[in-house]
Amino acid sequence: NAGVMQNPRHLVRRRGQEARLRCSPMKGHSHVYWYRQLPEEGLKFMVYLQKENIIDESGMPKERFSAEFPKEGPSILRIQQVVRGDSAAYFCASSPWGLGGEQFFGPGTRLTVL
Amino acid sequence: QKEVEQNSGPLSVPEGAIASLNCTYSDRGSQSFFWYRQYSGKSPELIMSIYSNGDKEDGRFTAQLNKASQYVSLLIRDSQPSDSATYLCAVNPEGPSGSARQLTFGSGTQLTVLP
Repeated sequence: NAGVMQNPRHLVRRRGQEARLRCSPMKGHSHVYWYRQLPEEGLKFMVYLQKENIIDESGMPKERFSAEFPKEGPSILRIQQVVRGDSAAYFCASSPWGLGGEQFFGPGTRLTVL
Repeated sequence: QKEVEQNSGPLSVPEGAIASLNCTYSDRGSQSFFWYRQYSGKSPELIMSIYSNGDKEDGRFTAQLNKASQYVSLLIRDSQPSDSATYLCAVNPEGPSGSARQLTFGSGTQLTVLP
């Protein structure tokens, strides 16, 4: 009965490097959401994906950030040329169709940019 | 700009007391409401969902919704030190059978239950 899985749990990058965060939704869930939580701040929506489709990326920064959810494999959030301000906890959530949007969160990836 | 407001706290209550957490939202069309609990350094955990006006009880937790006032609350009865966490209110514009959408979160209320 696996829940939402994310890896790595902790990721350290130097400024200018790339960060790749992976998320596997709960079994039977077809919707994936990425949220970012900056230190001492609330959760902010970034992007919503279904298999092979980006449904809503209105919360995603226009540059350096991208996301995908391929037909096979996990969803990936990619941050290019990381800066110190990207240091945050990145959470993935998944939901099935319907259920009023109940979303279940993974353990998160804590990104630290040196 | 859709907003969800919560008292940031911190809120302290003695063990065994009732903790009351409040949330207001700006989008009158919102249909689904959630409370998440987040322990320090951990991920949010869904503890309550509510879709209709009135009260919904689950164990020691009661969620209350008043769509006319755009207000949702969470009551925790017989509070325990293990309830000490940040409680996040989240809102979805879609109803229970609607399509999935992003959640808008409040900034959270930090609750401390004192032994």
